[in-house]
Amino acid sequence: AQSVTQLDSQVPVFEEAPVELRCNYSSSVSVYLFWYVQYPNQGLQLLLKYLSGSTLVKGINGFEAEFNKSQTSFHLRKPSVHISDTAEYFCAVSDGGAGSYQLTFGKGTKLSVIP
Amino acid sequence: EAGVAQSPRYKIIEKRQSVAFWCNPISGHATLYWYQQILGQGPKLLIQFQNNGVVDDSQLPKDRFSAERLKGVDSTLKIQPAKLEDSAVYLCASSKGPGELFFGEGSRLTVL
Repeated sequence: AQSVTQLDSQVPVFEEAPVELRCNYSSSVSVYLFWYVQYPNQGLQLLLKYLSGSTLVKGINGFEAEFNKSQTSFHLRKPSVHISDTAEYFCAVSDGGAGSYQLTFGKGTKLSVIP
Repeated sequence: EAGVAQSPRYKIIEKRQSVAFWCNPISGHATLYWYQQILGQGPKLLIQFQNNGVVDDSQLPKDRFSAERLKGVDSTLKIQPAKLEDSAVYLCASSKGPGELFFGEGSRLTVL
C-alpha cells in the first residue's frame, strides 16, 4: 500500500521569499509523483508530475520539485513566492506499474504568503 | 475545452436524508473518479470507473453510498441515508493518462 506524508500542515512565508513544501512517500513499487494546488472553494489543479526521466521537474507558476528515490521524497520548491500562491498544496503518489492511475494524497500543506 | 462539471455546488441536508451528486467528465476521458475530501484532510478515493465499469470501489461505504456511470460518460454519486460524518466536499475527476487527473470544483455537503 502506498502512503504520502506531508511534513508541514501550515507554512507561512513572506512575499518574494523562497519556500519548500516537504513530501515523503512510501511504496513498494515504482511510483509516479504529483503536486496539486487547491485554491479556496475550487477543485485541485495539477502543478507538476514526475513519471520518469529527469528527477528535477518543472511545473506551472514557477514551481519545481525534485524526486529523490533514496530518500523517498518529492519536495516542492519556489524561489520567490507571490501573494497569489496562497493556497493548499497536496502531494500525491500513484503506482507506476499497475496502470490504474489511482492517486493517494497527503493531508495537504497550507501555504500562506505574507505581504 | 470544457472542464469537469459538477452539481450541485452546495447541499445541506438533515441526517438520514438522501442526496445525489452529478458529474460530467471532460469529453473523451475514459476514467472517472469520485473522491471525498473531509475538512483538513486530503482527498480520499471512493470509487474509480473505467468507461462504465468499476475499477475500484474498495473504499466506498456500500451500505450507504452508491455510484453509477451509465453509458460511460456522466456519473452520479448517491448517499442514503446520510450521516453527520458524511459532511465533506465530494470531488469528481477524470483522466486520460497517468495521474493527470482533472478535477471539478466539488460539491460541498453539510449534514445537520
